[in-house]
Amino acid sequence: AQSVAQPEDQVNVAEGNPLTVKCTYSVSGNPYLFWYVQYPNRGLQFLLKYITGDNLVKGSYGFEAEFNKSQTSFHLKKPSALVSDSALYFCAVRDPGFKTIFGAGTRLFVKA
Amino acid sequence: DAGVIQSPRHEVTEMGQEVTLRCKPISGHNSLFWYRQTMMRGLELLIYFNNNVPIDDSGMPEDRFSAKMPNASFSTLKIQPSEPRDSAVYFCASSSTGGGGEQYFGPGTRLTVT
Repeated sequence: AQSVAQPEDQVNVAEGNPLTVKCTYSVSGNPYLFWYVQYPNRGLQFLLKYITGDNLVKGSYGFEAEFNKSQTSFHLKKPSALVSDSALYFCAVRDPGFKTIFGAGTRLFVKA
Repeated sequence: DAGVIQSPRHEVTEMGQEVTLRCKPISGHNSLFWYRQTMMRGLELLIYFNNNVPIDDSGMPEDRFSAKMPNASFSTLKIQPSEPRDSAVYFCASSSTGGGGEQYFGPGTRLTVT
């Protein structure tokens, strides 16, 4: 069965520093992996996805994620964090039937 | 495109009353999902539809919850009777199975049952 884990409840980073939000997954077959962001009082917003191809995928707002098959990881990264990046981030994996399993979420705090 | 539309945005009701939440997916999307989000339980998938057909309703908490999708542009989630523990934010999302399957979420309905 597909599953996804976000080992950190919260990540703190100073503005201007690089950020990483971790995600590991378990799938049978080829993984379809996603990152979403949720701002306060809003719905989740799609950031980026990995289906196949280049292991480094780029998404919205300067975010990128690196797919690592051997470590079964799909960490979200950004070279220089902004205060406005503070939000709740969800990693997700899609099963063959299009059901998507979401992680528990990681709250990112970017301090000015 | 207007995105996924949900109504109402806020609902306050008394225990025992019927609640109906509504969702209009993005035009052309053929999958629709209903989620519930609370601080305690996080984001939970309640049910999802492909081409208007319910595929997996294993997340529906109990018989008080029901969902329908009479056509490709409309879905409802009904709670009857409502209970205080149903208080949560309910999200609807849609996606296209022709692409990578990323989901587009509506703004949510904040339900408070007193």
